[in-house]
Amino acid sequence: SQQGEEDPQALSIQEGENATMNCSYKTSINNLQWYRQNSGRGLVHLILIRSNEREKHSGRLRVTLDTSKKSSSLLITASRAADTASYFCATATHGSQGNLIFGKGTKLSVKP
Amino acid sequence: NAGVTQTPKFQVLKTGQSMTLQCAQDMNHNSMYWYRQDPGMGLRLIYYSASEGTTDKGEVPNGYNVSRLNKREFSLRLESAAPSQTSVYFCASNPADMQQFFGPGTRLTVL
Repeated sequence: SQQGEEDPQALSIQEGENATMNCSYKTSINNLQWYRQNSGRGLVHLILIRSNEREKHSGRLRVTLDTSKKSSSLLITASRAADTASYFCATATHGSQGNLIFGKGTKLSVKP
Repeated sequence: NAGVTQTPKFQVLKTGQSMTLQCAQDMNHNSMYWYRQDPGMGLRLIYYSASEGTTDKGEVPNGYNVSRLNKREFSLRLESAAPSQTSVYFCASNPADMQQFFGPGTRLTVL
């Protein structure tokens, strides 16, 4: 059962540009998390945003959450070639014991 | 801290063979998870263990068994491997309701 769906599936930008990825989900959540996966590697946690929060920042990352629209966005500012990776949103629903449901991801390519 | 470790990194099996994927974490986390990731897909939960001594099915448990050996270790067993189980397997752990920490993955091919 797919809860989160990222959009776009793929994104190609130049270094220095901003990258925005969106995530939509279907049922109410406890929190929403964003992860990054470099090719052939495990996932690395980026940001967790709780259902009562609207925006969070971490360095060049900005995450927003709109629970009325059941959507979230991840903004990477001033992108670098090292940001090239796949980005996944994952949702934790109430009572899920911390289980996450992952979307299919956005593949970001940042060209030097 | 090694974090979450997985063995082996790569494995090739023939249809019908069995194997166990090992996972260990040194962060004293209660919860541990096994996922599979297929090309172009997100992660799908196979089994999870909310605490030592408990295990529960996730989204795609068929063909797999798990054992939570102790708080540190959570193993995934394929009793009779099938080509449909060719995938990359990730183990993860977390303190309750927080971010998950992932291992590097096991790339499994079933011929």
